[in-house]
Amino acid sequence: DTAVSQTPKYLVTQMGNDKSIKCEQNLGHDTMYWYKQDSKKFLKIMFSYNNKELIINETVPNRFSPKSPDKAHLNLHINSLELGDSAVYFCASSQEGLPYEQYFGPGTRLTVT
Amino acid sequence: AQSVTQLDSQVPVFEEAPVELRCNYSSSVSVYLFWYVQYPNQGLQLLLKYLSGSTLVESINGFEAEFNKSQTSFHLRKPSVHISDTAEYFCAVREKNTGFQKLVFGTGTRLLVSP
Repeated sequence: DTAVSQTPKYLVTQMGNDKSIKCEQNLGHDTMYWYKQDSKKFLKIMFSYNNKELIINETVPNRFSPKSPDKAHLNLHINSLELGDSAVYFCASSQEGLPYEQYFGPGTRLTVT
Repeated sequence: AQSVTQLDSQVPVFEEAPVELRCNYSSSVSVYLFWYVQYPNQGLQLLLKYLSGSTLVESINGFEAEFNKSQTSFHLRKPSVHISDTAEYFCAVREKNTGFQKLVFGTGTRLLVSP
């Protein structure tokens, strides 16, 4: 069983389009995250939801809109895609409290042409 | 705000040689420390963590890291590496403040093990 799954795995699209990435976790965790990993492998948090409530919202353009329909799902919608949005996007989940271990999905490689 | 520095972007090493991947952090409060590993085309996996207690922590595949509060370091070591250890290694820190705290990652170190 996959603990944290993301779809799609690869996404190639043109500038200006709108796209969504979906994430699901079956670990029963109460917290989910979106991270962006750039071409230099730098990993930065974008958003975090705890029990469907947005608790972390880093300085991300408002073209990015997360949505958590329930504790097991966290989706990311991106409007008006730009070249600089090309990256690998990782979803992760954890149970708030010790030991604070985050479980990562396999990533979605987004390429904007 | 906390930060993590991994000075070595890439560490080449021969199989069965020892290796050390360096990690230094900065924070105004106490922290929890983590090492994550990312194998090619995969997500990150927790390798080991320091939460409290013994400053030397170990993983199941032979890695160890030592928390040094005075030097604000959490270096990762392995006495003898395998080809399969080739991966990207990320050090991360989480502050021990109350309320929700984010995990901040270093820029990663690529470990390249060759025969």
